[in-house]
Amino acid sequence: GAVVSQHPSWVICKSGTSVKIECRSLDFQATTMFWYRQFPKQSLMLMATSNEGSKATYEQGVEKDKFLINHASLTLSTLTVTSAHPEDSSFYICSARPTTPETQYFGPGTRLLVL
Amino acid sequence: EDQVTQSPEALRLQEGESSSLNCSYTVSGLRGLFWYRQDPGKGPEFLFTLYSAGEEKEKERLKATLTKKESFLHITAPKPEDSATYLCAVQSGNTPLVFGKGTRLSVIA
Repeated sequence: GAVVSQHPSWVICKSGTSVKIECRSLDFQATTMFWYRQFPKQSLMLMATSNEGSKATYEQGVEKDKFLINHASLTLSTLTVTSAHPEDSSFYICSARPTTPETQYFGPGTRLLVL
Repeated sequence: EDQVTQSPEALRLQEGESSSLNCSYTVSGLRGLFWYRQDPGKGPEFLFTLYSAGEEKEKERLKATLTKKESFLHITAPKPEDSATYLCAVQSGNTPLVFGKGTRLSVIA
């Protein structure tokens, strides 16, 4: 149980285009979802927290107009990187937390490469 | 502010050589301490949640323990497939997890 999926697992895009990443909780309802970014050999950096039906809460320094988060249902959250640039290239990981237990379960990650 | 410090940063073990990873934390009201395993290029995989001092949990060669100030992840007779980065995180209140920087474990056959 407690499986979180992400799609796509890999995406390569041209600079200036927008990319959407989906995160789904497959066997539980996630009242809260989280989006992280991870650079090579570094720990996870929290970007934003979203609750179903509410606006996401962004961490300091994260541009909310660039990283659009939608938590449309209890099993789906999306992260859209708008007008992507090479510096947005990174490993993006989502996480979902059910009501109980209060454990965060992580997706497999999406590697984004902006050319 | 909640803080998590993991040590060592990296650990190299021979196959079968048992050891422990440390996670020291300061938190205003611990709601849970979590251990994850992360393989290169993958998302973290949940291992354990510990809620109160004195609690212990085991899974195969791994055993996690918790005190009021730190947690240990004991690895007994490790195998090469145990090589990964092990992440510790704490939660207080209804906040997101606060992660340590992780311990990179390499187990050599």
